[in-house]
Amino acid sequence: GAGVSQSPSNKVTEKGKDVELRCDPISGHTALYWYRQRLGQGLEFLIYFQGNSAPDKSGLPSDRFSAERTGESVSTLTIQRTQQEDSAVYLCASGWGQETQYFGPGTRLLVL
Amino acid sequence: SQELEQSPQSLIVQEGKNLTINCTSSKTLYGLYWYKQKYGEGLIFLMMLQKGGEEKSHEKITAKLDEKKQQSSLHITASQPSHAGIYLCGADRGAQKLVFGQGTRLTINP
Repeated sequence: GAGVSQSPSNKVTEKGKDVELRCDPISGHTALYWYRQRLGQGLEFLIYFQGNSAPDKSGLPSDRFSAERTGESVSTLTIQRTQQEDSAVYLCASGWGQETQYFGPGTRLLVL
Repeated sequence: SQELEQSPQSLIVQEGKNLTINCTSSKTLYGLYWYKQKYGEGLIFLMMLQKGGEEKSHEKITAKLDEKKQQSSLHITASQPSHAGIYLCGADRGAQKLVFGQGTRLTINP
């Protein structure tokens, strides 16, 4: 079956612009996670959805970051007024719980 | 500083050799996950360990969680080019949150 998909696969933007990253989880998965991976660093937890609600937003690095999920399906991660330090690979994962997370291929964001 | 420290950060081995990657936590590990990451393919779940002393194997990859549940090792026997990639350990920190190590980049030379 289809795995987790993310779009775009690559995004180059200018500093100060807004970007929207999309994640399509595996159908039926109730949990959805966003992570960020900066060059040379480990994965950084951003936010977690159970259904359409996000009980834990503590990982979002600043108020420029927001995420939503609709219909217990697609999720979008929005970064407003992008900064160069936002450049990273943004990974989405879905699952029924934390035990097994299925990851997408990621979106590589470069802020110039 | 990283909650999980992996070592080495990079590893180059000759095909057919054995290798070990370590993951150390300053806190007790209640769930330890190993993932493999290949460029453009996302993360691939390898295995999860929960009990002290637990050991699991998948093909030629074996992972173990020590008795004190603060360190895990990933061992690859008779390495192959298909084993190349970045190996990440992740730890359960509750509230549906995983934290990850910085990764170990494995290169297999023919």
